[in-house]
Amino acid sequence: GDSVTQTEGLVTLTKGLPVMLNCTYQTTYSPFLFWYVQHLNEAPKLLLKSSTDNKRTEHQGFYATLHKSSSSFHLQKSSVQLSDSALYFCALTYRGSALGRLHFGAGTQLIVIP
Amino acid sequence: EAAVTQSPRNKVTVTGGNVTLSCRQTNSHNYMYWYRQDTGHGLRLIHYSYGAGNLQIGDVPDGYKATRTTQEDFFLLLELASPSQTSLYFCASSEELGGGEQYFGPGTRLTVL
Repeated sequence: GDSVTQTEGLVTLTKGLPVMLNCTYQTTYSPFLFWYVQHLNEAPKLLLKSSTDNKRTEHQGFYATLHKSSSSFHLQKSSVQLSDSALYFCALTYRGSALGRLHFGAGTQLIVIP
Repeated sequence: EAAVTQSPRNKVTVTGGNVTLSCRQTNSHNYMYWYRQDTGHGLRLIHYSYGAGNLQIGDVPDGYKATRTTQEDFFLLLELASPSQTSLYFCASSEELGGGEQYFGPGTRLTVL
C-alpha cells in the first residue's frame, strides 16, 4: 500500500549547520509529495510540495527535490536557525487518491541548539 | 489564508463518556479530514468527507463516528471514550483534489481518564 518513511525520529543540530531530513515513499501511482512543519503548540502548515521529478522546490530557505527513481523527497537547509526547531512531516498523495487524502510519515523532530 | 477552527480546544472526560469534537471551515472547501496525532505515529487519518452527508473511513476509524452536516461543519464523535483515545486531534480542509494543500485547525487535546 501507499506509505511514507521518515527514518529519523529526532535530529539535534547546532545553529548554522546544514540539515537533511530523510523521506522515502511507496506508491504505484504518480506522486505528490509534501513537507509540513509543526511548531510547538501549533497546527501543521505546508512548507513545500512537489510532483515534478528532479526539480528542486524551495521555500523559506528549505528545499527538496523529488526523485522518482529512488522514491525520495528529502528536506534540506544549508544553515539551520533556532526558529527552525519544529516537527517536520513528509506526506504523500497522488492524482486520483480518494478525496485527496494524505499519507503522513511519523515525523522528525528537529531541535536546533545555540 | 484558509480558516479552520476547532472546539473545544481541550477536553477531559472519563472512560465510557460521550464526546463530540467540532470543526468548522469558512473557505468553502469540499474536502475535510479528521486526524489524530500521537508521538511516533505522526498524523493518522480517522475519517474524511467530500461535502455534506458524505463520509469516508480512514486508517484508524475504530471507536469513532463522524458526521458532515454542512459544507462548513465536520464533527467527530466518541460515543464510549477509552483511554487509548487520549490524543491530539486535528481537523483539516482542502479545496483541491490530489496535490492540494490541507489547512489544519489549531487542534483539540482530548484526555480520557
